[in-house]
Amino acid sequence: QKEVEQNSGPLSVPEGAIASLNCTYSDRVSQSFFWYRQYSGKSPELIMSIYSNGDKEDGRFTAQLNKASQYVSLLIRDSQPSDSATYLCAVNSGTSYDKVIFGPGTSLSVIP
Amino acid sequence: ETGVTQTPRHLVMGMTNKKSLKCEQHLGHNAMYWYKQSAKKPLELMFVYNFKEQTENNSVPSRFSPECPNSSHLFLHLHTLQPEDSALYLCASSQEGRADSVLTFGAGSRLTVL
Repeated sequence: QKEVEQNSGPLSVPEGAIASLNCTYSDRVSQSFFWYRQYSGKSPELIMSIYSNGDKEDGRFTAQLNKASQYVSLLIRDSQPSDSATYLCAVNSGTSYDKVIFGPGTSLSVIP
Repeated sequence: ETGVTQTPRHLVMGMTNKKSLKCEQHLGHNAMYWYKQSAKKPLELMFVYNFKEQTENNSVPSRFSPECPNSSHLFLHLHTLQPEDSALYLCASSQEGRADSVLTFGAGSRLTVL
């Protein structure tokens, strides 16, 4: 059974701090990795994708991938209250998107 | 209209009713998906259509019946549902064949089965 695991949280950080969200996956041949943000009552929206080992930065967001450890993380610098949401980790093992498996999500709360 | 639109946004139905969820994508994508999101559970893939052909059916009960008349429209027909089917149903689309293909989700249809 291929799985994607995340700490469900809630994770609480003060405004301006770094929020660190973690994700592990079980399928070693996974090729593509995504972080989605989902506000309460809304649909998921893609915020980061990463395909190779190392770091990928986009504004205040940094995705980190370590395929050997089967681990992907998302760092949010200078956290803002507007970052409060559930963050979904998604992993694609195949070449087509229908192989994507989502984690249960981590709830993040940024305290003003 | 832009992106992926879903109607209705909210639906309440009895167990004997028949209803349909509609999804339309305006992105020129060639693949469409139905996902189910229940409280405290991961997103569950239900159906996938590539170029109007169903390529995935994740052991979904027959009371859920998908229809994809063309690459822009996707329906989910519902009949004799159970209360445990109450959930957020999300439609998504993507462009298959691209290395950077990602899912774009609609706003979802919140279904309550009484």
